[in-house]
Amino acid sequence: ETGVTQSPTHLIKTRGQQVTLRCSSQSGHNTVSWYQQALGQGPQFIFQYYREEENGRGNFPPRFSGLQFPNYSSELNVNALELDDSALYLCASSLARPGVSKNIQYFGAGTRLSVL
Amino acid sequence: DAKTTQPPSMDCAEGRAANLPCNHSTISGNEYVYWYRQIHSQGPQYIIHGLKNNETNEMASLIITEDRKSSTLILPHATLRDTAVYYCIVRSHRDYGGSQGNLIFGKGTKLSVKP
Repeated sequence: ETGVTQSPTHLIKTRGQQVTLRCSSQSGHNTVSWYQQALGQGPQFIFQYYREEENGRGNFPPRFSGLQFPNYSSELNVNALELDDSALYLCASSLARPGVSKNIQYFGAGTRLSVL
Repeated sequence: DAKTTQPPSMDCAEGRAANLPCNHSTISGNEYVYWYRQIHSQGPQYIIHGLKNNETNEMASLIITEDRKSSTLILPHATLRDTAVYYCIVRSHRDYGGSQGNLIFGKGTKLSVKP
């Protein structure tokens, strides 16, 4: 149990729709990272939020966007859904402190998104 | 791209030690070796990490070669619940000014623990 919770656990959408996934970080953590995991693959980094701003982004188009709130929870938004967006979406939280480089990311159980 | 190479699959008998190898021949001086595992349909779980010394915690031991080009994760007494995909990741600990970098996952090693 990591203390990172994601909702919903499963979601079915149709192509072209928009979706919002939510993540509550572990108590005391200030950084949230989002990953996409296609079937049979390792997780791929989407982006990271720190102090409510995007800080680092992987190779994902702008229709993938996010937010981080003052309580450090986060949302992942995906617009204009495509069939290939079907995947497990994982959120990871961590505590980042200036000058302290050790950082362990703790993952939630993920949201399984199916795009039909 | 992942900077590590792992065998795609391994088997281990229940109660025996599971030794999972990882090659990271291009690792640089400020990069640590991290291990995560992912049990089916769950999020990845942190196991252990190290720089150059061997490390041990309640879950596993990490043995890093002297040249740091490879490492081995050891589960001393594997149980059926250790069946999972194990990911070896190299990651810099440089200071990002308060924020931290992402993890780059490969395909990992699927460990099957058999009775």
